[in-house]
Order: sequence, then C-alpha cells, then structure tokens
Amino acid sequence: GENVEQHPSTLSVQEGDSAVIKCTYSDSASNYFPWYKQELGKRPQLIIDIRSNVGEKKDQRIAVTLNKTAKHFSLHITETQPEDSAVYFCAASPILYGNKLVFGAGTILRVKS
Amino acid sequence: KAGVTQTPRYLIKTRGQQVTLSCSPISGHRSVSWYQQTPGQGLQFLFEYFSETQRNKGNFPGRFSGRQFSNSRSEMNVSTLELGDSALYLCASSLEASEQFFGPGTRLTVL
Repeated sequence: GENVEQHPSTLSVQEGDSAVIKCTYSDSASNYFPWYKQELGKRPQLIIDIRSNVGEKKDQRIAVTLNKTAKHFSLHITETQPEDSAVYFCAASPILYGNKLVFGAGTILRVKS
Repeated sequence: KAGVTQTPRYLIKTRGQQVTLSCSPISGHRSVSWYQQTPGQGLQFLFEYFSETQRNKGNFPGRFSGRQFSNSRSEMNVSTLELGDSALYLCASSLEASEQFFGPGTRLTVL
C-alpha cells in the first residue's frame, strides 16, 4: 500500500529563517499532495496543495515543490514567524480513486523569536 | 458556510463497550472520510463514504465500521472497544477530488 515518509520529525528555526520539510511517497498512482498544519488541540488545516501535473506552487511565504520522477515533494516556508509553530503533515492521495489521504508522520516546527 | 461538525467532542468508554461517533459535513459535500489520530501511529485513514457507499477502506479491523445517510451525514462505530482504540477521531468532508476539510474531532478514551 501507499507509504509516505516525512523528514525531519522536529525542526527548530530562528524567526525570519526558512524552513524546509521533505516527504517521499511510494505509490506512483498518487496525484494529489496536500500539506496540513495542526496547532495544539486544533483540527488539521490545509495550507497548500499541489497536483501531479504541476511542479511548483507558491502562496505568499509558503511554497511546495513536487518531483514526480523521484516521488519527492517538499514544503518551503520563508520568513518564518512564531505563529508558524505547529505540526505539519504531508499527505498523498490517489485522488482519482476517491478521497483517501495517506499522511506522513508529521514535523514539529518551532520558530524561536 | 458552516464547517464540519462532530459529536460528541469527548467520550469515555470502558473496554468491551461500543461507541458511535457522528460527523456532519459541509453543506454540498458528498464525500466524508474518517481518520484516527494517535501519538504513536499518527493520522491513519479509516474509510471514506460517498453517496451512501463506502468507496475506500483503510487497514483497520472489522470492529470499525461506518455508514452515510442520504443527507451526507456519517457515523462511525467501533465495537468491542480496546485500550488501543483511544484516539482522536477526525472526519473530513470534501467535494469530489478536492480539498478535505476536517472537523474538530472526537476524543475517545477507553478505560
């Protein structure tokens, strides 16, 4: 079955620095890759997503890149702020076959001010 | 539009009991997916319902089941509860092939 590996498990950065989180997926049928942010005690919320026909997508300080050949996708956060501190999850989905998301293990991001 | 809602928010049960959790999707969303979140296993897919039919299923034992009603509301049931079933159960709704919106979750504690 599909497996998604996520690294690193924890990441500490200084406010204003960039943060990068990387994921690898196993199922070549996956074609939808969302990133969720989950603050303590709250529900996961989508921050950005990318489909397999696109290599890169950007939304203000957040960007996602996808390398389908290598089955890698990454989240890039620039100019980090303390409110970016949260757990970030990547996921992969063979979305043509329904709405099943396979999640990575999560990355705890701490932004130090 | 109102977001995804889940009831109850908190639940305490004992081993061997059964439990039913409810999820009301965003109006117009016909797909409802369920996930289990634990510190050890992370977020794991349970199943997805679309137009009252189970469309996808994760790797959970048959004690975990679900259904969806004609108004797209969904319920999941766990029978013969085990200690390891203690988790946050999240449901998510979506339109076809698009972003999933999560509910606040039901925190289940099995004693």
